[in-house]
Amino acid sequence: DGGITQSPKYLFRKEGQNVTLSCEQNLNHDAMYWYRQDPGQGLRLIYYSQIVNDFQKGDIAEGYSVSREKKESFPLTVTSAQKNPTAFYLCASSLTGAMNTEAFFGQGTRLTVV
Amino acid sequence: QQPVQSPQAVILREGEDAVINCSSSKALYSVHWYRQKHGEAPVFLMILLKGGEQKGHEKISASFNEKKQQSSLYLTASQLSYSGTYFCGTGPPGTGNQFYFGTGTSLTVIP
Repeated sequence: DGGITQSPKYLFRKEGQNVTLSCEQNLNHDAMYWYRQDPGQGLRLIYYSQIVNDFQKGDIAEGYSVSREKKESFPLTVTSAQKNPTAFYLCASSLTGAMNTEAFFGQGTRLTVV
Repeated sequence: QQPVQSPQAVILREGEDAVINCSSSKALYSVHWYRQKHGEAPVFLMILLKGGEQKGHEKISASFNEKKQQSSLYLTASQLSYSGTYFCGTGPPGTGNQFYFGTGTSLTVIP
């Protein structure tokens, strides 16, 4: 079945450690996105990529990094520079980056930093 | 730039209707609507484009007022399965899917 897979579902890390969240899609979509979800704040865009080897910062990119070496993969690294990393992270993809194409979301990774 | 949704929360009895509104301070090219159940991924409901084009599920109804920079989602004859948090996503032209999501509207349908 085609879809978008995030792993792990739950992740615990100590403060000061970098952590990488995985996002893989087999939908052959060009565009991929990372969102952060906090209670009462909706979804906020961290990074997006419209094509392999290219990505752009979203509204809250500070303390995060990404790579897009393969079409199907868009991992997100939460670095120690991110002041408040505990959140629910959602990865999404769409066929193209055009506004008339819907986004497909993964099941999310809940990151807790202790 | 985040669109504003209203109401923040609503509780309905099965069979009742609801309207969820989304407004933006910026000119819009399109509006997306998604529903998220607790602990799950948001699921696509509908896209409304400038010019009147719509794409989405047949059972979902929505409107897009370009002049007022607003969109409304109409949920009629609500079912228990409609419960969840509804998000609108909006963006100015040329920004692709880096659109901004609203803060969400929590909808609870009770028997």
